[in-house]
This record gives sequence, C-alpha cells and structure tokens, in this order.
Amino acid sequence: GNSVTQMEGPVTLSEEAFLTINCTYTATGYPSLFWYVQYPGEGLQLLLKATKADDKGSNKGFEATYRKETTSFHLEKGSVQVSDSAVYFCALSPHSGANSKLTFGKGITLSVRP
Amino acid sequence: GAGVSQSPSNKVTEKGKDVELRCDPISGHTALYWYRQSLGQGLEFLIYFQGNSAPDKSGLPSDRFSAERTGGSVSTLTIQRTQQEDSAVYLCASSLAASSYNSPLHFGNGTRLTVT
Repeated sequence: GNSVTQMEGPVTLSEEAFLTINCTYTATGYPSLFWYVQYPGEGLQLLLKATKADDKGSNKGFEATYRKETTSFHLEKGSVQVSDSAVYFCALSPHSGANSKLTFGKGITLSVRP
Repeated sequence: GAGVSQSPSNKVTEKGKDVELRCDPISGHTALYWYRQSLGQGLEFLIYFQGNSAPDKSGLPSDRFSAERTGGSVSTLTIQRTQQEDSAVYLCASSLAASSYNSPLHFGNGTRLTVT
C-alpha cells in the first residue's frame, strides 16, 4: 500500500537557519506529492505540491522537488523565521492530479527561536 | 463562514456512550473528508464523500463508526459505544472536487474527543 515516512522530530532552529525536512514515500504508479502545514491554533493548509517527477513546488520561500529515483519530496527553506513555527505534514495522493484519500506522514514539529 | 467549521471543538464522553461530530464544509465544495489524528500518529483516513455518496469507506476502523452527509453539505461522524482508543482529534476537510490538481483540501480545526 501507499505510505509516507517523515524524519523524526521535533526540530528546533534559530532564526535564519537553513531547514530541511525529509520525506520519502512508497506508492504504486505516479502519485502526486504535497506538503501541508498546521500553524498553532489553525487547521491544516496546503503549503506546496508537485504532480510529476522533477517538478518543484514552492511557496512562502519553501521548496520541495519530486524525486522519483529516490522516492523523496524533501522540504527546504533557506532562511527560516519565527513565524514558520508549525507542524509540517508530507502527503501523497495515489493518482496524478487527484487528491482523494490523501496518505499523510506523522508530521514534524518545527520551532524557530528568535 | 469562509472556512470549514467543526463542532464541538472539544468533547469528553464516558466509555460506552455514543457521540456525534459535525462538519460544515466550505460552501460549494462537493468533496468532504474525515481524518483522525491520534497522539504521535499521522492523519488516518476514515471516509470521503462526493456529494452525498461515500465512494470510499475503507478507513472506518470498525462498525461502531458511521458517517453521513445530507444536502451535499453538512456531514456527521457518529461513533457508537465509544472506547478509550477512540480518543483522538477528528479532522474534517473539504475540496471543490475529489480529483482535481487545483483543488486542495481545506481543513477545519478538528474536534478533540476524549473518552474516559
């Protein structure tokens, strides 16, 4: 079946540090890949997405590249801010362009210190 | 309202009681999803609706769990004879369509269920 594995957390960084959050997946066919973010007190919201190999999703300074050869979709940001403190979830949908029945990873909590 | 609304936000119930959780999706969103988030776990898919029908109920953990959606809008998730392992945050999400690249899921803030 489909699965998503995220690196263990939590992660604590100083402001302006470089961020990498690892995500790997197992799926049949060609899934679409997503990062969702949950800020304190808010619901999950889509951060970025990619639907085919080598696509790069980007938003709010975050980037992730769909790597089929390594089945990965690592999230990166060059300089984090305190406002980026949140829980980040990697997810996949089983069909390109579809988002029914998203499979999520366990999520990782990021705390950014001033 | 502009977003997905869930009620109640918190629910404490005794083991063996039935509970109903409600979700009001964004107006016009035809697809509606229920997920469960347990401590230290990812989001576990429960069920999704396209309109009033549920094409995929495969995630419901037991026959104590059921869900319905009426009028293509409000959905209720019912848990009968609650058990302590049902304690979790129940999340509802909606989207314009169930299979569209440009139709991300919009989540509510969830209902935190505690079974004592």
